[in-house]
Amino acid sequence: DTEVTQTPKHLVMGMTNKKSLKCEQHMGHRAMYWYKQKAKKPPELMFVYSYEKLSINESVPSRFSPECPNSSLLNLHLHALQPEDSALYLCASSQGQDSNQPQHFGDGTRLSIL
Amino acid sequence: GEDVEQSLFLSVREGDSSVINCTYTDSSSTYLYWYKQEPGAGLQLLTYIFSNMDMKQDQRLTVLLNKKDKHLSLRIADTQTGDSAIYFCAEREAGSARQLTFGSGTQLTVLP
Repeated sequence: DTEVTQTPKHLVMGMTNKKSLKCEQHMGHRAMYWYKQKAKKPPELMFVYSYEKLSINESVPSRFSPECPNSSLLNLHLHALQPEDSALYLCASSQGQDSNQPQHFGDGTRLSIL
Repeated sequence: GEDVEQSLFLSVREGDSSVINCTYTDSSSTYLYWYKQEPGAGLQLLTYIFSNMDMKQDQRLTVLLNKKDKHLSLRIADTQTGDSAIYFCAEREAGSARQLTFGSGTQLTVLP
């Protein structure tokens, strides 16, 4: 079982909907990450939070809005998405943003945009 | 920028050994990671090695690092059908703010 929990596992939404993806970890990690992964491709980094502050935004469109309410939780708010945003969204955590300890991934949310 | 390369596909017979290869370009002290992704799942950390090490073994998994050639391999002994998955090599410069660089992933198919 993964120690990073993501909900929901699957999400289907229309282009005008607003939804949120959730991620939780209880390993005491202080860095959390959002990745987007297309089929048969490696994950692409979207955002990094370090000590609950946004540290890296990889030029992600504003229709994706991250939020870190506390050190264990990470959300990704979605609004007015496009069909090309359909993908697997992975959350990960690590001890620290600059730590060499590995990132631990959740099982992801499979997002489909109609 | 840094680059990590892997071959896309590998097929082996059940019970044989699998060797998945990866090359990287970073010349600094670096950490190298192997992740496994089964269909419909996230990335599972298998093992990782620092660039001052030559080898690391963990049960059926052996990681070999050739620093001179910047070549990393993951050997899976006695490969089973449950080992069928995509294997990603990833690299990160030690102590750097730069994040993980992933290879393209190798699809391992285990034939009965």
